[in-house]
Amino acid sequence: GIQVEQSPPDLILQEGANSTLRCNFSDSVNNLQWFHQNPWGQLINLFYIPSGTKQNGRLSATTVATERYSLLYISSSQTTDSGVYFCAVDQISNFGNEKLTFGTGTRLTIIP
Amino acid sequence: GAVVSQHPSRVICKSGTSVKIECRSLDFQATTMFWYRQFPKKSLMLMATSNEGSKATYEQGVEKDKFLINHASLTLSTLTVTSAHPEDSSFYICSARIDRIQETQYFGPGTRLLVL
Repeated sequence: GIQVEQSPPDLILQEGANSTLRCNFSDSVNNLQWFHQNPWGQLINLFYIPSGTKQNGRLSATTVATERYSLLYISSSQTTDSGVYFCAVDQISNFGNEKLTFGTGTRLTIIP
Repeated sequence: GAVVSQHPSRVICKSGTSVKIECRSLDFQATTMFWYRQFPKKSLMLMATSNEGSKATYEQGVEKDKFLINHASLTLSTLTVTSAHPEDSSFYICSARIDRIQETQYFGPGTRLLVL
């Protein structure tokens, strides 16, 4: 099956710093999403980004589908940005349904 | 909009008992719901996909007799962990999708299961 690797696995930053998270995938995909999982486990949709660049406040994302990677940028980090960031790619499963395969995750800790 | 709830949020049970977890889409109708499992500090793994009114399709390696999924209506899916054992302890997360055109999945808050 498809492999989805994220880097770095862990990142510790001072409040106010900027960061770039990377997601590499091993095969063609229909779509790609970025999620933030907060410390209580809730997954929050950040971006639905099969290609191109999108921005939402301090966050932006870029996907280069032909080169099989996506980047998530976080600027002016805040403590509330702490948590685990996952990318997930959308493929057709063996049963004909679309399914999400999640990446390995990046654990971000923002220090006040 | 697009809120998904799960109940219970946390459950502790004895080995051998069965546990039912509910997943509800509160403000939309979900043609498809998904169940994931997440071990501590690990990623999410898809367990099964359920479409309203039909049998769930399970991912390879997931025991369908162990993890019973029912998608009885467009707003409710249930996961029953039968004869739970300590190795079933995990964080179970459901998600819901409106239809195949609007592909975004909306995730519930998760259920932490601890089997003693």
